[in-house]
Amino acid sequence: AQKVTQAQTEISVVEKEDVTLDCVYETRDTTYYLFWYKQPPSGELVFLIRRNSFDEQNEISGRYSWNFQKSTSSFNFTITASQVVDSAVYFCALSEARRAGNMLTFGGGTRLMVKP
Amino acid sequence: DAGVIQSPRHEVTEMGQEVTLRCKPISGHDYLFWYRQTMMRGLELLIYFNNNVPIDDSGMPEDRFSAKMPNASFSTLKIQPSEPRDSAVYFCAITPAGLSSGRNEQFFGPGTRLTVL
Repeated sequence: AQKVTQAQTEISVVEKEDVTLDCVYETRDTTYYLFWYKQPPSGELVFLIRRNSFDEQNEISGRYSWNFQKSTSSFNFTITASQVVDSAVYFCALSEARRAGNMLTFGGGTRLMVKP
Repeated sequence: DAGVIQSPRHEVTEMGQEVTLRCKPISGHDYLFWYRQTMMRGLELLIYFNNNVPIDDSGMPEDRFSAKMPNASFSTLKIQPSEPRDSAVYFCAITPAGLSSGRNEQFFGPGTRLTVL
């Protein structure tokens, strides 16, 4: 069965610090997709990134970077030089190609608080 | 950009009343999903549709919950009768049309915050 674990329920940092949000997943499928979503205090869920299981290349987008390691079943998310606007709940999610539809399994989320 | 409109944004009702939540995708999609988010249970998938047909409703908590999708541009989630434990944020999400299974990100609407007194 598929499962996503975000062990850090809450992280607090001071502005300009780097912070890494952990995500560990379980799946029996060889083809799967991993996602990160951001939920700011306003409540909407914002898509950040999708990663395919066959592409382990790390990705950087501005201050955001993602480290995908199949060997440890992890898909961690790093924010460099954090800002107050990064304060949000971040969700990691998994989708398996063999499952009908595009069903996502979400982790429990990590609440990030960036203090000025 | 895929877009989803949900209404109402906030709903406060009394126990026993019927509640109808609405979702209107404003871009092409293959799948439409209804989720519920609570502090205790996190994000839960309630039901999803493919080309307007309900595919999996195993997440619907009870018979009090029902969902319909009469056309590609509209879906409803109804709770009758409502109970205080139904208080949550309900999200509608879509995946863009034309991409194959599993690889699609879902785009979420702003959610409806339901409070049942």
